[in-house]
Amino acid sequence: DIQMTQSPASLSASPEEIVTITCQASQDIGNWLAWYQQKPGKSPQLLIYSATSLADGIPSRFSGSRSGTQYSLKISRLQVEDTGIYYCLQRYSNPWTFGGGTKLELK
Amino acid sequence: EVQLVESGGGLVQPGRSLKLSCVASGFTFSNYGMNWIRQAPGKGLEWVAYISSGSSYIYYAETVKGRFTISRDNAKNTLYLQMTSLRSEDTALYYCARGGSLGDFDYWGQGVMVTVSS
Repeated sequence: DIQMTQSPASLSASPEEIVTITCQASQDIGNWLAWYQQKPGKSPQLLIYSATSLADGIPSRFSGSRSGTQYSLKISRLQVEDTGIYYCLQRYSNPWTFGGGTKLELK
Repeated sequence: EVQLVESGGGLVQPGRSLKLSCVASGFTFSNYGMNWIRQAPGKGLEWVAYISSGSSYIYYAETVKGRFTISRDNAKNTLYLQMTSLRSEDTALYYCARGGSLGDFDYWGQGVMVTVSS
């Protein structure tokens, strides 16, 4: 199975700051990587697909990038509503696997 | 508006069975692959199963293979998850999610809780 190692596990940042969350894949997964946001008590929401493409309705301050087998989610100009847990997901091969999650809190 | 509404959850004893349903609306259900994803209390997300639009392709996580069966009825716009030989570690909130044009889970239901306990 492909392992997705996500870091950091948690972080705290202030509004307007820039944060970056990363996922390291245990092998090549191409661009088969997506990012999800789960706000407290809510269902997850797709943010980024194909590693770098912004999902419909998602603000442009969210962006995804790839460097080899490392994938990053960058959130610019943090807003209070960005609080939640962020997950990466690989769909290169079954079983599809999520990263462990990053809990983002706003100061 | 795309909507996915799960039902069928509840409290069940270990070793027993339960069948979840997910009714879809707001899109042409028969054109999309569908998934079940679960989240144990206070834990992360775990993909459980996938079924293609015409049911030709079905995949399972190893943790449920042989015990869970995913199926769909395109005439009823409904996705199912038949769960047998349930274990305490199957306790979770179960989400159905649509596989978008590239397969990513672009819409999710609100989830249905399954609790396996004696």
